[in-house]
Amino acid sequence: KAGVTQTPRYLIKTRGQQVTLSCSPISGHRSVSWYQQTPGQGLQFLFEYFSETQRNKGNFPGRFSGRQFSNSRSEMNVSTLELGDSALYLCASSPTGGGSTEAFFGQGTRLTVV
Amino acid sequence: AQKITQTQPGMFVQEKEAVTLDCTYDTSDQSYGLFWYKQPSSGEMIFLIYQGSYDEQNATEGRYSLNFQKARKSANLVISASQLGDSAMYFCAMRVPSNDYKLSFGAGTTVTVRA
Repeated sequence: KAGVTQTPRYLIKTRGQQVTLSCSPISGHRSVSWYQQTPGQGLQFLFEYFSETQRNKGNFPGRFSGRQFSNSRSEMNVSTLELGDSALYLCASSPTGGGSTEAFFGQGTRLTVV
Repeated sequence: AQKITQTQPGMFVQEKEAVTLDCTYDTSDQSYGLFWYKQPSSGEMIFLIYQGSYDEQNATEGRYSLNFQKARKSANLVISASQLGDSAMYFCAMRVPSNDYKLSFGAGTTVTVRA
């Protein structure tokens, strides 16, 4: 069974640009969550999608958005990039996202904003 | 609100020895799930072990075991017979209903296994 696939693995963008990251969850998983990881803030929850609907949202500005397609693949978009957006972005999939279900993570996309 | 605390920023352990990683949590929810993840330098978060708040037995998965002390709100991870490949960052995480089951993570502990 294929794991969670995130593309691209590495990305370098300039301030003010926008970026789209992609996540393909494990087959059959309907919940996809996104996390931002930085040395200073640690792992922070961005949002969760379940069956094409945003189910949860973290405390990030509106520049961060996402969507989920009917095949459960998800994309995350960051507009008007800032230097502080440089981070490892991790995507996690789970069957339902409920209390006892572990989340399976991809290898992440390392975004550098210059 | 829920909170996960990992007080050990970094630890060194000799190969083949056991190591205990501390994790304390705070939540007013009666039902919750506790998770441990491993993050090697490659970046991927690898699920290790799960403990439910109502589970009476401590969880075990191979060389990983979870020392769950509910009254103390503690969920320490024990890695037995450490291997060089265990060198990584380890995160304790929790899901609670009052937070819509979002995974909340601690700050992590870096483990370095010495030969």
